[in-house]
Amino acid sequence: KQEVTQIPAALSVPEGENLVLNCSFTDSAIYNLQWFRQDPGKGLTSLLLIQSSQREQTSGRLNASLDKSSGRSTLYIAASQPGDSATYLCAVRPVKNYKLSFGAGTTVTVRA
Amino acid sequence: KAGVTQTPRYLIKTRGQQVTLSCSPISGHRSVSWYQQTPGQGLQFLFEYFSETQRNKGNFPGRFSGRQFSNSRSEMNVSTLELGDSALYLCASRRGLDTGELFFGEGSRLTVL
Repeated sequence: KQEVTQIPAALSVPEGENLVLNCSFTDSAIYNLQWFRQDPGKGLTSLLLIQSSQREQTSGRLNASLDKSSGRSTLYIAASQPGDSATYLCAVRPVKNYKLSFGAGTTVTVRA
Repeated sequence: KAGVTQTPRYLIKTRGQQVTLSCSPISGHRSVSWYQQTPGQGLQFLFEYFSETQRNKGNFPGRFSGRQFSNSRSEMNVSTLELGDSALYLCASRRGLDTGELFFGEGSRLTVL
């Protein structure tokens, strides 16, 4: 069974600092990995999708890397802003079926 | 382009009742999946439909069921509601069964009293 872990569970940083969010998974046979953002009481907003054949994806201030062999993905957010405050979740789609497994998320607070 | 639409957004039921939630996917998306989110268990996969057929199912009791219509819209039903069914139910759509980015709706917040 695929286990997805996100550490730390929460972090607080001053505005302008770069954010580094970690996601680890136990089964490296994945189809893709997707990062989401969730604001309180809201649905999930897709940030980046990385296919298993890719090493990284970038969108604006966001960059996500994938190291399948070590079962890790990292989401980097450059020059954080208070609007980046949210919970960030990663989700892994295994090759053997299409059931997404989610991490518990990292709750980020960016202090103005 | 309209996103994933879920209705109702909020609802309150009592134990033993049943509930039906609706999801309209993004136009052109044929896969719809459902998730339950609770503070204790996080996000858990319920089931996925593609071309009106259930393709995957999570580890939930038979009280949880769903269906998909020919226009790709989907409904999920929970019968004999229990207090523990209180959760945010999220629907997501994507273009194909094994391809593409997953897009979520805003969710339906169910409270069971």
